[in-house]
Amino acid sequence: AQSVTQLDSHVSVSEGTPVLLRCNYSSSYSPSLFWYVQHPNKGLQLLLKYTSAATLVKGINGFEAEFKKSETSFHLTKPSAHMSDAAEYFCVVTPRGLNAGNMLTFGGGTRLMVKP
Amino acid sequence: DVKVTQSSRYLVKRTGEKVFLECVQDMDHENMFWYRQDPGLGLRLIYFSYDVKMKEKGDIPEGYSVSREKKERFSLILESASTNQTSMYLCASTPSRGNLNSPLHFGNGTRLTVT
Repeated sequence: AQSVTQLDSHVSVSEGTPVLLRCNYSSSYSPSLFWYVQHPNKGLQLLLKYTSAATLVKGINGFEAEFKKSETSFHLTKPSAHMSDAAEYFCVVTPRGLNAGNMLTFGGGTRLMVKP
Repeated sequence: DVKVTQSSRYLVKRTGEKVFLECVQDMDHENMFWYRQDPGLGLRLIYFSYDVKMKEKGDIPEGYSVSREKKERFSLILESASTNQTSMYLCASTPSRGNLNSPLHFGNGTRLTVT
């Protein structure tokens, strides 16, 4: 069994300030974890993924996430928000080492708003 | 670059109608998926397919069926649309099962309203 909790449904930041989007997971397996981003009227796009290598994962557009097994967390961060970062973000967990798209569990999503 | 195309961006249908949502991918991916997206619930898997003419139920298959007659096309069918099927529907694909933890490639979604 596995689950994902995104702790904030909405996050609002000012342009140029840091971004923190929180994700906690539970899994009976060793997990792989992903962050996807969805811009308005678009499908989801992969931001970054953790599969088993370095616990600090760097993704596109300056985002990164750190896998913390002891805290069962995979928070997404960015040092300085840009207006174009306004979107919805999804944290996803799946059993590691399986290519089973049917075993993905999505969090409920966090909508990031960026103020000028 | 992989392209997943959903034929309709917006659809409005009446209760009881039969509805077809079409999805085509152009990268010869073997695996295709249909999700629905609802606020606060994230994405939930309706059906998926690992091969032509093959289909498997996901987490919420009730009220839906699918068809995969060709590798590149995966159709979602609402046999008799109901208002609780008003949602955003997202199609996705991935390469063969040998690619471990390969990311999903998504279409832009179809927003269906059932009145």
